[in-house]
Amino acid sequence: DAGVIQSPRHEVTEMGQEVTLRCKPISGHDYLFWYRQTMMRGLELLIYFNNNVPIDDSGMPEDRFSAKMPNASFSTLKIQPSEPRDSAVYFCASTLGAENTEAFFGQGTRLTVV
Amino acid sequence: KQEVTQIPAALSVPEGENLVLNCSFTDSAIYNLQWFRQDPGKGLTSLLLIQSSQREQTSGRLNASLDKSSGRSTLYIAASQPGDSATYLCASFPSGTYKYIFGTGTRLKVLA
Repeated sequence: DAGVIQSPRHEVTEMGQEVTLRCKPISGHDYLFWYRQTMMRGLELLIYFNNNVPIDDSGMPEDRFSAKMPNASFSTLKIQPSEPRDSAVYFCASTLGAENTEAFFGQGTRLTVV
Repeated sequence: KQEVTQIPAALSVPEGENLVLNCSFTDSAIYNLQWFRQDPGKGLTSLLLIQSSQREQTSGRLNASLDKSSGRSTLYIAASQPGDSATYLCASFPSGTYKYIFGTGTRLKVLA
């Protein structure tokens, strides 16, 4: 398996624009996580899914953020409208689930909102 | 609420030295603890996963221990090399949840 795949790797957008980040988890993994990493706050969990269903979205900062998982092999994190303070690296991770909780991370998307 | 702390925040050592990175967590009711490595501009690479029933895990020059009662884990790196330079993150997996809580990391630099 190629691991967790995220796209794009880098995104630069203007304030107010919509941004969509994409993630393909490892095949067969039942859990998918979206994290945000900044220098000030470190790694923060935004939301996670189990079998495509959102379980905990308490980390989503505002209504401007939304995430979907239409099928087992694809998830999106959308920010609309984007703001400069959303600039961060966004990571997607997946785990097999049940008793196997070893997390595997993608390479991240570096988002810059100007 | 689980909080994870890593000390030191940064560490610089000469090549060949054995070193210990520390991770502490406030809630001892964890399912497991995982150590990761992050290179600049890269994602997180899993190093070691310790289940709550285990005391330690080893992989090559790395050894991670877990003491749930004291809320501590350590990552021991033997005979450090310049290629070990990276940020090391620990993450606890509290019982009753299904999510990792990360520490802020230790930035390691091994000097040749």
